[in-house]
Amino acid sequence: DTGVSQDPRHKITKRGQNVTFRCDPISEHNRLYWYRQTLGQGPEFLTYFQNEAQLEKSRLLSDRFSAERPKGSFSTLEIQRTEQGDSAMYLCASSPGTASHQPQHFGDGTRLSIL
Amino acid sequence: DAKTTQPPSMDCAEGRAANLPCNHSTISGNEYVYWYRQIHSQGPQYIIHGLKNNETNEMASLIITEDRKSSTLILPHATLRDTAVYYCIVMEYGNKLVFGAGTILRVKS
Repeated sequence: DTGVSQDPRHKITKRGQNVTFRCDPISEHNRLYWYRQTLGQGPEFLTYFQNEAQLEKSRLLSDRFSAERPKGSFSTLEIQRTEQGDSAMYLCASSPGTASHQPQHFGDGTRLSIL
Repeated sequence: DAKTTQPPSMDCAEGRAANLPCNHSTISGNEYVYWYRQIHSQGPQYIIHGLKNNETNEMASLIITEDRKSSTLILPHATLRDTAVYYCIVMEYGNKLVFGAGTILRVKS
């Protein structure tokens, strides 16, 4: 399978704990995006990377959230001191660089449940 | 905010064509129209995109009006597996996707 891969698929944790999600983009895709989706809503943009550089962050991304893409390949999204409101599906997408008109392709997400 | 308007829901008979409309009256010259769909518990699936010409691929056809203020996604022979939420998004290539509420398409046998 050469699609976007996300791990874990499901995460259940207690309020106040830290969690980390991983995203492996499609090979050679320079851009990597993170989105969050709550029940009944469309996905909302969180942040994106061009190679290892984080180029934009949404105001939804509070100080408790941090994303990295250290070698320009896989990315991690960490949430510290989780809150009930963090319960959502976290989606990752990747696309080639701006030289191409290919679209973003999504993984199947990590569903986070906060107890 | 999303720059598109879609009907909240539509029904289609299995085997018939599904025509999903989208209004994007404020689209600018360098913005593309993208269509995605999302089946429950899965990530959004890319369907098709275009700038101003009509486009067709193995999944669907995209018809964009000459003034580019609206478009229609056509699934030529809908099946039960096409039941999903369909999102129409206008975006300058390379930027973030801004999803609206989408259209819930129900394909019925």
